[in-house]
Amino acid sequence: QVQLQQWGAGLLRPSETLSLTCAVYGGSLSGYYWSWIRQPPGKGLEWIGEISHSGSTNYKPSLKSRVIMSVDPSKNQFSLKLTSVTAADTAVYYCAGSTAGRVYCSSSSCLFDFWGQGALATVSS
Amino acid sequence: EIVLTQSPGTLSLSPGERATLSCRASQRVSGSYLAWYQQKPGQAPRLLIYGAYRRATGVPDRFSGSGSGTDFTLTISRLEPEDFAVYHCQQYGSSPATFGGGTKVEIK
Repeated sequence: QVQLQQWGAGLLRPSETLSLTCAVYGGSLSGYYWSWIRQPPGKGLEWIGEISHSGSTNYKPSLKSRVIMSVDPSKNQFSLKLTSVTAADTAVYYCAGSTAGRVYCSSSSCLFDFWGQGALATVSS
Repeated sequence: EIVLTQSPGTLSLSPGERATLSCRASQRVSGSYLAWYQQKPGQAPRLLIYGAYRRATGVPDRFSGSGSGTDFTLTISRLEPEDFAVYHCQQYGSSPATFGGGTKVEIK
């Protein structure tokens, strides 16, 4: 069974870059889509974007100008960078995986069948 | 993007009671690509339902999903103590994937 372990984030100052990495255990990067999702304190979930094992990306339009996702097949890891953070970016950030295929994905998007443990990013001056 | 509105925000019920949670979409969710997740404090969400009514592996049959188009429902037939949590709906019929604001099921 695929498991995700993530690290990074913490306390950031406004305008800094948030960095997170997620390691995949029990499976390879191929055959899945890899996403980042965040949850501000006491609020709902927000999908940030996804990356495939080959490095193809799809970002939420409202965040696209600040998001960089990458994948490292040699380490079985994928990463998120969010630039120019503000207090509005304070949230728990989750990495998540979607099994590719028609069961869990439409032609446009996917659900998320496994998740990392989450990491809190706090943006404060 | 499709906006999902969940109601009620909080549901106060006793163990053994039936819970009915609603998720309404601002546009038709194509292919009924609607999922439900359960989230407990300090934990990541857990997939419960996909394709509007299909239970994920290991999910008890007291959880059921229904609906199509713009109106979807998650029903918990008889609440067990471990079912008190926050429930999120998510549509994956169009990009970007979007989530509802969540419904908290709390012990009355």
